[in-house]
Amino acid sequence: DSGVTQTPKHLITATGQRVTLRCSPRSGDLSVYWYQQSLDQGLQFLIQYYNGEERAKGNILERFSAQQFPDLHSELNLSSLELGDSALYFCASSPGGETQYFGPGTRLLVL
Amino acid sequence: QKEVEQDPGPLSVPEGAIVSLNCTYSNSAFQYFMWYRQYSRKGPELLMYTYSSGNKEDGRFTAQVDKSSKYISLFIRDSQPSDSATYLCAMSAQDDYKLSFGAGTTVTVRA
Repeated sequence: DSGVTQTPKHLITATGQRVTLRCSPRSGDLSVYWYQQSLDQGLQFLIQYYNGEERAKGNILERFSAQQFPDLHSELNLSSLELGDSALYFCASSPGGETQYFGPGTRLLVL
Repeated sequence: QKEVEQDPGPLSVPEGAIVSLNCTYSNSAFQYFMWYRQYSRKGPELLMYTYSSGNKEDGRFTAQVDKSSKYISLFIRDSQPSDSATYLCAMSAQDDYKLSFGAGTTVTVRA
């Protein structure tokens, strides 16, 4: 158990819908990262927050957004969902350094 | 060409054998190198972390980094069936902590 929690574990929704994925980092970790894992693209970095502020962005679609709250938990919002958004979404946290600890992931299926 | 290249395998070895995994990369700015283990689409688990070039050993695991060749390796000695998983290499640059991942190598250790 990495200490990073993610909810929900599974999510099934329809195209065009909007969903919110939630992540609670390890106690004391200020950085939260979001990654997407699909069969064809592998693990891809989406976005990083550090102590409530956006720190870095990867290939995140404009339909996706995230935020980190004062209690350091983070939410990833996915809107206007498409079939191709079906993937595993992971959250990772770190104390600010290089090592990242991953949560169990949210499996999203868009029908 | 991908930034990080990793042979997806699959790799099948008998119990007790040495497992050898490797990745190559193109970004010379990478300074931090990690190996993660992922079971059945669960969250990646950090196995080894190395800064810059050199070797690091932890139990049955040895990580090697050769920055001059842009090549990193992971060796698993005395492999066990419980080592059957997908192994992902990951790396990041100084002060840029987003991870770039390889595609992952699927390893099966036969009892």
